[in-house]
Amino acid sequence: GAVVSQHPSWVICKSGTSVKIECRSLDFQATTMFWYRQFPKQSLMLMATSNEGSKATYEQGVEKDKFLINHASLTLSTLTVTSAHPEDSSFYICSARDLEDEKLFFGSGTQLSVL
Amino acid sequence: AQSVSQHNHHVILSEAASLELGCNYSYGGTVNLFWYVQYPGQHLQLLLKYFSGDPLVKGIKGFEAEFIKSKFSFNLRKPSVQWSDTAEYFCAVNPDTDKLIFGTGTRLQVFP
Repeated sequence: GAVVSQHPSWVICKSGTSVKIECRSLDFQATTMFWYRQFPKQSLMLMATSNEGSKATYEQGVEKDKFLINHASLTLSTLTVTSAHPEDSSFYICSARDLEDEKLFFGSGTQLSVL
Repeated sequence: AQSVSQHNHHVILSEAASLELGCNYSYGGTVNLFWYVQYPGQHLQLLLKYFSGDPLVKGIKGFEAEFIKSKFSFNLRKPSVQWSDTAEYFCAVNPDTDKLIFGTGTRLQVFP
């Protein structure tokens, strides 16, 4: 079946540094990818919708300048957490919509810990 | 605001017991409904989905869910659980084309 690869699976960084998370659709093309965040014991919350070749659409309350999204090709979207702080520590997960059949597939997630 | 409620946060069952996980949503229009499962150490996978038609939907691994429009519910069921069903289960609602709104999840533990 279709696979979405997300890297890294976990990352620990110092406060103030930036972290990049990659989301790749391995065997299908995706014009649309989604980025979610999940805090412990809470639901997955949509952060932004990433559109290939255009600017991402951010959900209310999500800082565009802090969570930079780049969707430069039909198989890759990146989320960069800039100047990370401990409150950014969370589980980030991406999903990609298959261009052909519009099915949605999820990556395995990235656990970010900011010290 | 649109929301999805999963009433059971943690369910513990013995093998062969029957399972029902509740899911209610608040949205007045047409919705698509999903159940996702996340096995330990793995990524989210689709169990089943409802778009239209027969409100009783059958998914993979013996799971089914029933859409009851009048109750805004989409409960997940399985007649006889197995140890391998131990996982986190998420209900999700798609009120428009792109967004998925997830419930908080239900952790299921099945003991042999």
